[in-house]
Amino acid sequence: SQQGEEDPQALSIQEGENATMNCSYKTSINNLQWYRQNSGRGLVHLILIRSNEREKHSGRLRVTLDTSKKSSSLLITASRAADTASYFCATDAPAGANNLFFGTGTRLTVIP
Amino acid sequence: SQTIHQWPATLVQPVGSPLSLECTVEGTSNPNLYWYRQAAGRGLQLLFYSVGIGQISSEVPQNLSASRPQDRQFILSSKKLLLSDSGFYLCAWSVGTGGYGYTFGSGTRLTVV
Repeated sequence: SQQGEEDPQALSIQEGENATMNCSYKTSINNLQWYRQNSGRGLVHLILIRSNEREKHSGRLRVTLDTSKKSSSLLITASRAADTASYFCATDAPAGANNLFFGTGTRLTVIP
Repeated sequence: SQTIHQWPATLVQPVGSPLSLECTVEGTSNPNLYWYRQAAGRGLQLLFYSVGIGQISSEVPQNLSASRPQDRQFILSSKKLLLSDSGFYLCAWSVGTGGYGYTFGSGTRLTVV
């Protein structure tokens, strides 16, 4: 299956530290997206990185993409308690598909 | 601006009863529409997607069906619920295919008892 896999499954850090989450996938993609989900809520789109991009920034978020390794990472710098949530990567593989395939997520807990 | 509405927020239904969850989108035309299910502590499983009125694609065999009677309305249904249908159901929309972010509704927590 193309479904992405996030690593680690759970991450607990102190406020102010950086949080890094990783995602691996299996086949070629056009783009990879990261989403955030607060407990019991819908997902919120954070950032999209295209297959010809290697790095993208949005505020305190930095996403990297390595298509040769079929992996991506999401870095949240200077974390805050409000960043506590689950984070999912999603890919459109097979490239150009009409839908997204989501990973199982990383549960991030930021301790105040 | 575009918004997506999904209701109800929570639902408790007995086994064997019918189901109808509705999702509507505002502020856009001809969106791609999606129904996902999320088991507790798990990722999202795509159930159905639609690229136009009356066009429904199913990703997995299941006890559920979907319909798109209007451009911005997407309905998830079942004639007889099973215990295994319990989960968190999410509706989403996007522009185009794959190259755009999805906007999700707030979800429906369905518990089949």
